[in-house]
Amino acid sequence: KAGVTQTPRYLIKTRGQQVTLSCSPISGHRSVSWYQQTPGQGLQFLFEYFSETQRNKGNFPGRFSGRQFSNSRSEMNVSTLELGDSALYLCASSPIGEGNSPLHFGNGTRLTVT
Amino acid sequence: GDSVTQMEGPVTLSEEAFLTINCTYTATGYPSLFWYVQYPGEGLQLLLKATKADDKGSNKGFEATYRKETTSFHLEKGSVQVSDSAVYFCALSVGQGGKLIFGQGTELSVKP
Repeated sequence: KAGVTQTPRYLIKTRGQQVTLSCSPISGHRSVSWYQQTPGQGLQFLFEYFSETQRNKGNFPGRFSGRQFSNSRSEMNVSTLELGDSALYLCASSPIGEGNSPLHFGNGTRLTVT
Repeated sequence: GDSVTQMEGPVTLSEEAFLTINCTYTATGYPSLFWYVQYPGEGLQLLLKATKADDKGSNKGFEATYRKETTSFHLEKGSVQVSDSAVYFCALSVGQGGKLIFGQGTELSVKP
């Protein structure tokens, strides 16, 4: 069974630009969540989607948005990039997103904003 | 609010040494608890989990017991190997919605 796939692996963008990251969950998983990982703030929850609906949201500005498609694939968009958005963005999936169900993580997209 | 506190690293051990990484949590509900491991250049992998008090999670020689009375979930391994070198994250989940709250991570380096 293929794992969680994130594309691209690396991105370099300029301040003010926008970026879209993609995530394909494990087949059959309907819950997709996104995390930001930085050396200073650690791992922080961005949002979670289930059946194309955002079900949970972390404490990030509105520049961070996402969506989920009918095949459970998800995209995350960051508009008006800032230097502080440089981070590793991790996507994770689980069957239905129950609290006691572990998340399966992709290898992440490394975003560098210059 | 809910939070997780891990012992700070980096932790450096010799091969075959005993490992303990402390993790304590604060949660208003009844969380599930997890340990994840991250190898360089990779995402997080589940190491073990426990979903209720007194549960013991175990995997690959690692163990952790869900202690409600001390709100702890310490990770232990009796004999570490060089291949265990990685960053270890303690995390909790309350309710549904794919949201995990992570500790700050503990970097482990095992020397031959």
